[in-house]
Amino acid sequence: DVKVTQSSRYLVKRTGEKVFLECVQDMDHENMFWYRQDPGLGLRLIYFSYDVKMKEKGDIPEGYSVSREKKERFSLILESASTNQTSMYLCASSVGRGRNGYTFGSGTRLTVV
Amino acid sequence: QKEVEQNSGPLSVPEGAIASLNCTYSDRGSQSFFWYRQYSGKSPELIMSIYSNGDKEDGRFTAQLNKASQYVSLLIRDSQPSDSATYLCAVFTGGGNKLTFGTGTQLKVEL
Repeated sequence: DVKVTQSSRYLVKRTGEKVFLECVQDMDHENMFWYRQDPGLGLRLIYFSYDVKMKEKGDIPEGYSVSREKKERFSLILESASTNQTSMYLCASSVGRGRNGYTFGSGTRLTVV
Repeated sequence: QKEVEQNSGPLSVPEGAIASLNCTYSDRGSQSFFWYRQYSGKSPELIMSIYSNGDKEDGRFTAQLNKASQYVSLLIRDSQPSDSATYLCAVFTGGGNKLTFGTGTQLKVEL
């Protein structure tokens, strides 16, 4: 069974901390994505990557960065966490550009206090 | 105009009834269409995909696509309380090279 694994299910961090969210997929997918999901706003794309060491900004990249050093791993970095980054973060991967859909990880509920 | 639109609901149906969820999209070049189910506090799970006009059935689920009218729908027959969730419509457009999601419709199946 294919899997996308996010390292933490729940995370609580303090304002100003540097936060790393990790995502690993075992499907040899080229493409990986980071979304955040907030009530009433739906899924919003933060960053995505079509290949190792490649990254592209999504719709809301401000305050975030990413790293993809290996094909199976895509990390989201909050350089200086703020309370407005409290959210559910979802990682996804796909073969091709999404023509066959995405597979999501289980999500990380991040609370910044 | 939003690229992918869904009624946020909640849509309430009695147990055993047919639930009908609808989604419209704006880009006529859209190629692939998906329905995801998301339980509260969980991540989206792909339940149906459809690529050509017409109906596609999988168990109690039927996806319907009408490209001329730019809508896609999901029918759930014999609705069960376990079907209570938010259903996300997603559309792949070749030009955008990624999925665009609707904000979801909350379905409540009542006993």
